[in-house]
Amino acid sequence: EAGVAQSPRYKIIEKRQSVAFWCNPISGHATLYWYQQILGQGPKLLIQFQNNGVVDDSQLPKDRFSAERLKGVDSTLKIQPAKLEDSAVYLCASSFSREQETQYFGPGTRLLVL
Amino acid sequence: DQQVKQNSPSLSVQEGRISILNCDYTNSMFDYFLWYKKYPAEGPTFLISISSIKDKNEDGRFTVFLNKSAKHLSLHIVPSQPGDSAVYFCAARASYGKLTFGQGTILTVHP
Repeated sequence: EAGVAQSPRYKIIEKRQSVAFWCNPISGHATLYWYQQILGQGPKLLIQFQNNGVVDDSQLPKDRFSAERLKGVDSTLKIQPAKLEDSAVYLCASSFSREQETQYFGPGTRLLVL
Repeated sequence: DQQVKQNSPSLSVQEGRISILNCDYTNSMFDYFLWYKKYPAEGPTFLISISSIKDKNEDGRFTVFLNKSAKHLSLHIVPSQPGDSAVYFCAARASYGKLTFGQGTILTVHP
């Protein structure tokens, strides 16, 4: 069974530029999550989708971050414009359902904002 | 507010001995607790979980203990192997889907 796929793996941009990350969850998983992991900290949930609907985006900085999950499968996370403090690893995870406690993570995208 | 805390940034253990990683939490509404392992440049990998209605769960070399009165959980790895060297995160769930993670503990197992 293929795991969660993410691309790109690394991205370097200058502040005020925009960037987008892509995630393909495990086949059949209805719930998809985006996390931000800053160096030295644990992952922090940004947004949660159930199929193509947003369940929880309370921690998403909506003035600059946006995410979508069209057709309830793949998802993209966008930052526009990026700030220096957005430098982090962006992790995508999926689970079979919201009720399932185990989330499976992709390899992450490491973003450096200069 | 840090609802899940791992107070030891690092732990060093000899191969074959027991590794004990600790985690404290403050929210009594957490219903599941999980441990993840993370290697450099990879995403976290699920290890083991425990429901809040249990006090112990075992899976091979890994055992998780939950002490609800102390709001404390621990992960025991016996025997420890060099391949276990990684960052370990504990996580807790208070509502469907939302996991809150600790800061992680770097485990180094020396041959």
